[in-house]
Amino acid sequence: DAKTTQPNSMESNEEEPVHLPCNHSTISGTDYIHWYRQLPSQGPEYVIHGLTSNVNNRMASLAIAEDRKSSTLILHRATLRDAAVYYCAGANNLFFGTGTRLTVIP
Amino acid sequence: KAGVTQTPRYLIKTRGQQVTLSCSPISGHRSVSWYQQTPGQGLQFLFEYFSETQRNKGNFPGRFSGRQFSNSRSEMNVSTLELGDSALYLCASSLVDASYEQYFGPGTRLTVT
Repeated sequence: DAKTTQPNSMESNEEEPVHLPCNHSTISGTDYIHWYRQLPSQGPEYVIHGLTSNVNNRMASLAIAEDRKSSTLILHRATLRDAAVYYCAGANNLFFGTGTRLTVIP
Repeated sequence: KAGVTQTPRYLIKTRGQQVTLSCSPISGHRSVSWYQQTPGQGLQFLFEYFSETQRNKGNFPGRFSGRQFSNSRSEMNVSTLELGDSALYLCASSLVDASYEQYFGPGTRLTVT
């Protein structure tokens, strides 16, 4: 089975950049990497996804390692509303990591 | 555009009973996936349906089953409920398949007593 691992928690100061890492140890060459975030009592919310090259959208940026064994979600300026549990998913959303709880300090 | 809706939102069942959960995807989305979320195991993939056909299946026992209708609405069924089936069951829809971005519903909280 594909393995997707993330740190349990991270902290960031408000308005500073945040880099959330994820390891995809057994991802295949054609599988997309996705990122979601989840607030309490809600379903996960799509953030960004990519295959090989770095991706940007209005919410975040996604950096994918050349060997695709790791990815990093980048929030350029963390706000209090970004406090959530962030999940990376490999193998086209089949295997989710255990999530990183991001705390944003005002 | 309306989001993914799931019914019911909360459910309490007794061990040994069966349960059916419903999911209505975003209009125009043809792929529906189901996930189980628990504090211990996190988000685990159950199955994906596209055009009424199951395309992928996770590592769950046969007690877990699903189906998709011609209007893309989907149901999942769990038979012979066990205490360990207590979880948040999430449905997600995407335009074509699970390699696209998925949009999740709020989930159905199932408690088995």
